[in-house]
Amino acid sequence: ETGVTQTPRHLVMGMTNKKSLKCEQHLGHNAMYWYKQSAKKPLELMFVYSLEERVENNSVPSRFSPECPNSSHLFLHLHTLQPEDSALYLCASSQDVGLDYGYTFGSGTRLTVV
Amino acid sequence: DQQVKQNSPSLSVQEGRISILNCDYTNSMFDYFLWYKKYPAEGPTFLISISSIKDKNEDGRFTVFLNKSAKHLSLHIVPSQPGDSAVYFCAASAFRGGSEKLVFGKGMKLTVNP
Repeated sequence: ETGVTQTPRHLVMGMTNKKSLKCEQHLGHNAMYWYKQSAKKPLELMFVYSLEERVENNSVPSRFSPECPNSSHLFLHLHTLQPEDSALYLCASSQDVGLDYGYTFGSGTRLTVV
Repeated sequence: DQQVKQNSPSLSVQEGRISILNCDYTNSMFDYFLWYKKYPAEGPTFLISISSIKDKNEDGRFTVFLNKSAKHLSLHIVPSQPGDSAVYFCAASAFRGGSEKLVFGKGMKLTVNP
């Protein structure tokens, strides 16, 4: 494993469901990130947290709601999603925001919205 | 255990010279490889990719070489330009472009000096 654990690995949900993605790291990193990887598209940065404070929100729809209760855990709460939200959601962490290297990515959650 | 390794955290080259960024992987199931480029405070953006059926793919100043027997790939940038200064991530996928299993290296910072 890479040090960043994401659960579940696969998720299928209906458009009216509410679900949450979980990310966990015990690397002592202060920054955590949510990325979206759609088929044949580059990674899209969604949210950035530094020391449990959200420092960046890249115009993500409100149906995605992040939560960072502590520096080791990051959640992405999902509700009333659309089929186009189906993608691979990647979590990453780094020692600090703004460092140019040392990112550790999780394996991702493959989300399918039906 | 890291499946995709970028063993050098940084590289500095002179403008006009060649930049060579290296990446090693351990999982022989990987069949599609990607390079991403990341500027500070932005998410990674796709740069170039290569399928395991090829050993070279070229796009302008960027060329990626794949050595399957050595489980090694490299990104060549020639000539290097100051605007190429960024962090470069190597990624490997077990499904061609589908990102069903997408594993990233930790990144390497390239600095191109004028």
